[in-house]
Amino acid sequence: QSALTQPASVSGSPGQSITISCTGTSSDVGTYNYVSWYQQHPGKAPKLMIYDVSNRPSGVSNRFSGSKSGNTASLTISGLQAEDEADYYCSSYTTSSTWVFGGGTKLTVL
Amino acid sequence: EVQLVESGGILIQPGGSLRLSCAASGFTFSSYAMTWVRQAPGKGLEWVSSISVTGGSPYYPDSVKGRFTISRDNSKNTLYLQMNNLRAEDTAVYYCAKLAGPTLYYYIHVWGKGTTVTVSS
Repeated sequence: QSALTQPASVSGSPGQSITISCTGTSSDVGTYNYVSWYQQHPGKAPKLMIYDVSNRPSGVSNRFSGSKSGNTASLTISGLQAEDEADYYCSSYTTSSTWVFGGGTKLTVL
Repeated sequence: EVQLVESGGILIQPGGSLRLSCAASGFTFSSYAMTWVRQAPGKGLEWVSSISVTGGSPYYPDSVKGRFTISRDNSKNTLYLQMNNLRAEDTAVYYCAKLAGPTLYYYIHVWGKGTTVTVSS
C-alpha cells in the first residue's frame, strides 16, 4: 500500500503547459484505468479534475487533460493561469480493492 | 445540490474513541458508495476506508485496520467512521466523500469540507 510517486513540485509561467507524473505499480495504475486527479487550494477540500485516466467532469476547463502509459499516469495543464496554482493529487484503485493517493505536487505559477 | 457535512471532530487523548458522522443531502444516498479520506497537518491525502451501497466488505489501509470501522445508515442518509485506540498520528482533517457509483472502484466525485480530529494529551 505504498503511495503513488509524484514530483514534490512543478512550476511554469502563465500560458505555458506543465505535466505532473504519477507513478504506481502493476497492482494499481498499471492494472486499472481508475486513475483520478484532484486539485486542492490551501485550506480547501480537494476538487475532482480528471477521472478514469482521461475524463473531465462537467465544469472543469479543457485545459486539463490526463493520460496513462504503463504504470505512470500524467496530468497536463495547458495555458497555465494564476488560479491553477494549487496542490495536485493522483489516486488509483488497487488490486487489493483499496485506494491509494500520490504524495501530492505543489504547482507554482511564476 | 450535493452536500456532505462532517461532524464529530474534537481534541481527544491517545487511546480514546470517537465517531465521526457525515450527513448527506441532495442525492439518493443509498445509491452511492462513500468514503473517508484524511489529511494530516501539512501532509498529503490518505484514503481511510470506503463502503459500498450495501455496506458489505469495507476495506482499510494497514494504518487503521482493526481500529477504524466505516458504516452507513441509508435510512438516515448518514455515513459514519468509528475510530478506536486513537494515536497521535491519526491527527488530521477527515473528509467524507461521495463516490460516483455504487461500488468501491468508482472515483471520488464530491468532497465534504472536513472535520478536524486532534489526538493529543
